Amino acid sequence: AQSVAQPEDQVNVAEGNPLTVKCTYSVSGNPYLFWYVQYPNRGLQFLLKYITGDNLVKGSYGFEAEFNKSQTSFHLKKPSALVSDSALYFCAVRAYSGAGSYQLTFGKGTKLSVIP
Amino acid sequence: KAGVTQTPRYLIKTRGQQVTLSCSPISGHRSVSWYQQTPGQGLQFLFEYFSETQRNKGNFPGRFSGRQFSNSRSEMNVSTLELGDSALYLCASSFSGGGSYGYTFGSGTRLTVV
Repeated sequence: AQSVAQPEDQVNVAEGNPLTVKCTYSVSGNPYLFWYVQYPNRGLQFLLKYITGDNLVKGSYGFEAEFNKSQTSFHLKKPSALVSDSALYFCAVRAYSGAGSYQLTFGKGTKLSVIP
Repeated sequence: KAGVTQTPRYLIKTRGQQVTLSCSPISGHRSVSWYQQTPGQGLQFLFEYFSETQRNKGNFPGRFSGRQFSNSRSEMNVSTLELGDSALYLCASSFSGGGSYGYTFGSGTRLTVV
């Protein structure tokens, strides 16, 4: 069965510093990986995805993620954090469930706090 | 183009009642998935509908059901509500099951069971 681990419940970073939110995954076959962000009382907002191609994926709002197949990791990064980046971040893997269906399996989420 | 629309945004229900939530996907998307988000369990898959057929169902009791209409709009129903059903229910729209185009989520319906 597929799984996603986000080892840090919370990440604190100073404004202007680089940030990294960690994610490791387990899935059969080629992974489709996603990062979403959630602000309080809101739905999930898409940041970026990896399907195939370059291991460094660029997404919305200056975020990027590095796919590492050997380490089964897909860490989210940003060179310079903003206070407005403070939110809950979810890593997810898409896996085949049978009968032509796919589903997302999410990590537990990482709360990012950017300190002014 | 318009995003994924979930209605209502907030609901308060009493134990034992039933509730119906609605999701209108992005125009042209035929797949709608539902997820439950709680502080304890995180995000859990409920079910997926594609072209009016349920293709997949997560590990939830039979009190949780859904359907999809010919215009791809989907509803989920929870009968005999329990306190533990209090959650944010999220709907995800995709073209064919989250392939190259990924998933777009709605803002969710916050259900509180009292």
